[in-house]
Amino acid sequence: NAGVTQTPKFRILKIGQSMTLQCAQDMNHNYMYWYRQDPGMGLKLIYYSVGAGITDKGEVPNGYNVSRSTTEDFPLRLELAAPSQTSVYFCASSSTPISTNEKLFFGSGTQLSVL
Amino acid sequence: GENVEQHPSTLSVQEGDSAVIKCTYSDSASNYFPWYKQELGKGPQLIIDIRSNVGEKKDQRIAVTLNKTAKHFSLHITETQPEDSAVYFCAASLTGTASKLTFGTGTRLQVTL
Repeated sequence: NAGVTQTPKFRILKIGQSMTLQCAQDMNHNYMYWYRQDPGMGLKLIYYSVGAGITDKGEVPNGYNVSRSTTEDFPLRLELAAPSQTSVYFCASSSTPISTNEKLFFGSGTQLSVL
Repeated sequence: GENVEQHPSTLSVQEGDSAVIKCTYSDSASNYFPWYKQELGKGPQLIIDIRSNVGEKKDQRIAVTLNKTAKHFSLHITETQPEDSAVYFCAASLTGTASKLTFGTGTRLQVTL
């Protein structure tokens, strides 16, 4: 029962480097999300997807890109890493929209430092 | 857009005491209010939620109350135990937006022996 799996767990990047944070879920959920968590700031939505081939911006999308080629996978791409992107990143999924009272299942997070 | 404020940011209680965390929201259209618990090194997990047509909901030692008029909701934990120590997030869902939750800034609860 894997649920939502995120890799890697930790990563240090140099300014200007690129990387992809991986997220996979095995619950056949249509809805997937990327959040970032900064100290004292709660969780901010970066991007979300309502199904394969469909993505949309959240509250803080600048500097990030996503794709959703399959139901299972929702990778998050950082093209030119900046110190402001130092954060903990969480991927989540749900079977129906949040507005219908469906709960989010979160992965265990990726701690990213950009130096 | 929706704005959720959460207080206090830290809370320390003795084992067996009660803990209360409060949140306010700005958009009267919000109709779903979940609470998530985040243990150290893990992702948040849903512990209880409430819909806008209900004033209170209980699940064992945990309860949530909602005051739609005042636009605030609260998490109540009774008979606290060390395993309740975690960061708790409230959230609100804005009606009409497909898949978005607005989270509060979190409350770090420490239950001391």
